[in-house]
Amino acid sequence: AQSVTQLDSHVSVSEGTPVLLRCNYSSSYSPSLFWYVQHPNKGLQLLLKYTSAATLVKGINGFEAEFKKSETSFHLTKPSAHMSDAAEYFCVVTPYNNNDMRFGAGTRLTVKP
Amino acid sequence: DTAVSQTPKYLVTQMGNDKSIKCEQNLGHDTMYWYKQDSKKFLKIMFSYNNKELIINETVPNRFSPKSPDKAHLNLHINSLELGDSAVYFCASSPRTGAVTEAFFGQGTRLTVV
Repeated sequence: AQSVTQLDSHVSVSEGTPVLLRCNYSSSYSPSLFWYVQHPNKGLQLLLKYTSAATLVKGINGFEAEFKKSETSFHLTKPSAHMSDAAEYFCVVTPYNNNDMRFGAGTRLTVKP
Repeated sequence: DTAVSQTPKYLVTQMGNDKSIKCEQNLGHDTMYWYKQDSKKFLKIMFSYNNKELIINETVPNRFSPKSPDKAHLNLHINSLELGDSAVYFCASSPRTGAVTEAFFGQGTRLTVV
């Protein structure tokens, strides 16, 4: 079985400072990993996804994540936060056949002026 | 064009009623899902269908019954609605391939049971 743990339920940063949202996973299979973002009262939008081609994955809006197998982690980062980044972020793991997506509990990102 | 569309967007109903939420995807995907998001934003998979066949059926009350008339549609019917059913329900779809691919989500249906 696979699962994800998002280590922080809430992260608060100042505009222009770096963002780090942490995610650890467990999977019996070679996993697929994703980060999704949900803005208030909106649906879920894909930020980035991990393929086995590269451990450092670049996504939309300046976000990136690094897959570290030894640490079973897939942390999301952004060098400089923008006010529009304030949202809920979800880390997701699936087995290779992509039929069983498991979401983390989410991390709420607040960006202060 | 909306890739995954759900109707209605908002649904307010009384306890004990029966209601349906419809979902359609125009992406040609084989797999469709229903997720429930509770008030704490936690997303939990309810059902997964692949090409009209039920693949995943999590521990969900049997008052919830998915129906897939074809692979582009996955509707959710709920009988005898309870207060605890209030949540946002998301439909999603993804290709069924061996490659790494993401799921595409609808905008959600906010169900309020009063």
